[in-house]
Amino acid sequence: DADVTQTPRNRITKTGKRIMLECSQTKGHDRMYWYRQDPGLGLRLIYYSFDVKDINKGEISDGYSVSRQAQAKFSLSLESAIPNQTALYFCATSDPHGVWGYTFGSGTRLTIV
Amino acid sequence: QKEVEQNSGPLSVPEGAIASLNCTYSDRGSQSFFWYRQYSGKSPELIMFIYSNGDKEDGRFTAQLNKASQYVSLLIRDSQPSDSATYLCAAHQTNDYKLSFGAGTTVTVRA
Repeated sequence: DADVTQTPRNRITKTGKRIMLECSQTKGHDRMYWYRQDPGLGLRLIYYSFDVKDINKGEISDGYSVSRQAQAKFSLSLESAIPNQTALYFCATSDPHGVWGYTFGSGTRLTIV
Repeated sequence: QKEVEQNSGPLSVPEGAIASLNCTYSDRGSQSFFWYRQYSGKSPELIMFIYSNGDKEDGRFTAQLNKASQYVSLLIRDSQPSDSATYLCAAHQTNDYKLSFGAGTTVTVRA
């Protein structure tokens, strides 16, 4: 099994719908992250969590919310999806000092129509 | 100014040549630096990390770090078509150890 699992892998949904992307990890790490990736813009941080009770906004949190249900689970929600949220979304995890960098999930390709 | 800047590319190199990718960072206190390879539509994969000034070699990859110049580079020797990908540079932020990523450089190795 993968160290970081994201579901769904692909999703097409309509404008205005609520959607949840889920992430689970088996690395035993406290730190988890959500990024979106758009062509030419690289990875942009949406939210991050340093432990179950510590959740922080990243550089582009507007329109998104998160829930850290357990050490291993970190979900991202789009409350009312809009087309410019169409992107590739990645979840990642790291040890506290990131000595070994981040481990990424396989990504969710989200299309809002 | 972005925290991590990469030469935008795309970079096209012939098979067997050396591909050279560059990265600069703004947080002078950053201690750790990472290179990720990302194939189209796939997740980033860590290929190199470096903490100390100088060179670090791993197979056909060499990472170079110059903290005084706030500069990190990645050399890919004997480039192969399978090296065609986007390469992301990342640096640790000193305040909380989050990674800042560059926008990536796309490399195409032509046969």
